[in-house]
Amino acid sequence: QVQLVQSGAEVKKPGSSVKVSCKASGGTFSSYAISWVRQAPGQGLEWMGRIIPILGIANYAQKFQGRVTITADKSTSTAYMELSSLRSEDTAVYYCARDSTNYYDSSGYLDYWGQGTLVTVSS
Amino acid sequence: EIVLTQSPATLSLSPGERATLSCRASQSVSSYLAWYQQKPGQAPRLLIYDASNRATGIPARFSGSGSGTDFTLTISSLEPEDFAVYYCQQRSNWPSTTFGPGTKVDIK
Repeated sequence: QVQLVQSGAEVKKPGSSVKVSCKASGGTFSSYAISWVRQAPGQGLEWMGRIIPILGIANYAQKFQGRVTITADKSTSTAYMELSSLRSEDTAVYYCARDSTNYYDSSGYLDYWGQGTLVTVSS
Repeated sequence: EIVLTQSPATLSLSPGERATLSCRASQSVSSYLAWYQQKPGQAPRLLIYDASNRATGIPARFSGSGSGTDFTLTISSLEPEDFAVYYCQQRSNWPSTTFGPGTKVDIK
């Protein structure tokens, strides 16, 4: 059974950066894209980007280009999302989620999700 | 960017009733549409992909239909555990994707 376990809640100051981790178990980590999706309090879902660990290739939503970096460490089956220049509007729960199909036929549908990491940006 | 609109925003129904949720895309997404269920404090769960295919382990009371710009998620007979928020997602221009704003199904 695939499990994605994320790092704990963070409180950050405006202008700083945050790095959230997502450790996978129970599956073939490298062969499936990992996406990051965030959800502001009481709001909907917003896709930020994804990485294909076996290729080391990342794609980002235009909104976050230049401010987000998604990486993966195949040796530890862990994906990371780093968001910089934080502002109050970045307060949200950040989820990692795995693509439902193998990387060479990547679907963009997300079938396994982490438990979410609350990032609070406050002065 | 492809914008998804969901209606209604809230649907108030009783257990055993039929739920019909709508998702409309600002341009054609072919059949590249999914539906997710999210309960409070939980991560979303994939229900339907490619407009009409149930994901693994999803009960048969959930069904999806549509193509192009208009899509429907139907829950044939609501169970108590089905009261939640439902999101649609399009992936027609993957690797870019967008979600709809959600429809909340609550107990009447």
